[in-house]
Amino acid sequence: DAKTTQPTSMDCAEGRAANLPCNHSTISGNEYVYWYRQIHSQGPQYIIHGLKNNETNEMASLIITEDRKSSTLILPHATLRDTAVYYCIVRFQGGSEKLVFGKGTKLTVNP
Amino acid sequence: EAGVVQSPRYKIIEKKQPVAFWCNPISGHNTLYWYRQNLGQGPELLIRYENEEAVDDSQLPKDRFSAERLKGVDSTLKIQPAELGDSAVYLCASSAVVVGTEAFFGQGTRLTVV
Repeated sequence: DAKTTQPTSMDCAEGRAANLPCNHSTISGNEYVYWYRQIHSQGPQYIIHGLKNNETNEMASLIITEDRKSSTLILPHATLRDTAVYYCIVRFQGGSEKLVFGKGTKLTVNP
Repeated sequence: EAGVVQSPRYKIIEKKQPVAFWCNPISGHNTLYWYRQNLGQGPELLIRYENEEAVDDSQLPKDRFSAERLKGVDSTLKIQPAELGDSAVYLCASSAVVVGTEAFFGQGTRLTVV
């Protein structure tokens, strides 16, 4: 079973920031938080991951709470192409460990 | 750099027929995964390979599903015979065995069993 809890769906206006929450209250010390997204009819796409510190890349920012029990993925300026299902996953640091997907959050970016 | 390549992209078969899916992972990636994704659900792992060895196949329905990864590179997933409930998207992914690295997914094969 997935170790994360996410809202089923969210809406965001184009050009605004999209903040996607994730709860992972049972995360262990050596588990990373990963975010993937899946645009319709495509395979999941890696977005970002982190262990303790906040992370930022060209796609998004990841904010992890100090107790690591929750995190937020931030898309700073959402576009229509960001409409997708977003998955929050916790995973051991080993690079070969499997990803356990939940149902994710369906983000709809509206014009 | 080429990503994970899967073929075919779509497949429609009649029940009880066999079907095979092919995956070419990213060059140098030791780990290869096959996932199945039912409509409205997240992907679920079927099997994971480390090089040629299947290290996690606990979710693979072994009565009808089989997989192989010859020479630790390309992989094939087979279903024989197919059932109506096998209709789904079959996704292949690969990753390097390095701490904290991500997995890369192919486009998937959409199987429809009629």
